[in-house]
Amino acid sequence: GAVVSQHPSRVICKSGTSVKIECRSLDFQATTMFWYRQFPKQSLMLMATSNEGSKATYEQGVEKDKFLINHASLTLSTLTVTSAHPEDSSFYICSARTGSLLDTEAFFGQGTRLTVV
Amino acid sequence: GQQVMQIPQYQHVQEGEDFTTYCNSSTTLSNIQWYKQRPGGHPVFLIQLVKSGEVKKQKRLTFQFGEAKKNSSLHITATQTTDVGTYFCAGPQNYGQNFVFGPGTRLSVLP
Repeated sequence: GAVVSQHPSRVICKSGTSVKIECRSLDFQATTMFWYRQFPKQSLMLMATSNEGSKATYEQGVEKDKFLINHASLTLSTLTVTSAHPEDSSFYICSARTGSLLDTEAFFGQGTRLTVV
Repeated sequence: GQQVMQIPQYQHVQEGEDFTTYCNSSTTLSNIQWYKQRPGGHPVFLIQLVKSGEVKKQKRLTFQFGEAKKNSSLHITATQTTDVGTYFCAGPQNYGQNFVFGPGTRLSVLP
């Protein structure tokens, strides 16, 4: 099946610094990618929809200036957590679909476990 | 707003016992998808159901889509330790381009 690669898998950063997470579709083009946040033992919470060549669409309650999303190419979307704080520590996962957005399976990246100290 | 609910939240079974998780949507769904997330891993697609009353099987897993297309179930026969993980159902958003995920059912299988 299609592969979505996410990097890094784990990152520890100091409070106040910024962290960039990359999400790549390795064998298909993804005009749309999705970024999720998952707290321990909880479900996936959609943060934003990343659209190639245009601004991301953020879910209600997600600060767009704090979670910067860039989708500069058909195979790469990045999420930058700016001025990270301990409460931003979480598991961040991206996903993409190969075809019609609501008619095909989602392929997920491996996830990034962010720890802010 | 649109909600997708799952029960139970947790299930502990002895290896060899059966397991069922139920998914209910507040709205009618055009389709429903099921994912499995192993501990420490990422969600992996299992199946998609589209038709009302549809039943699909994957080895020991049986998936069902309700007649009203508002509920679904996943049944595992004779669980094995490899079945451990969290099972999520997901339905298309009423708006937008994404799926709404249920809270998941975490399955533990005791050997």
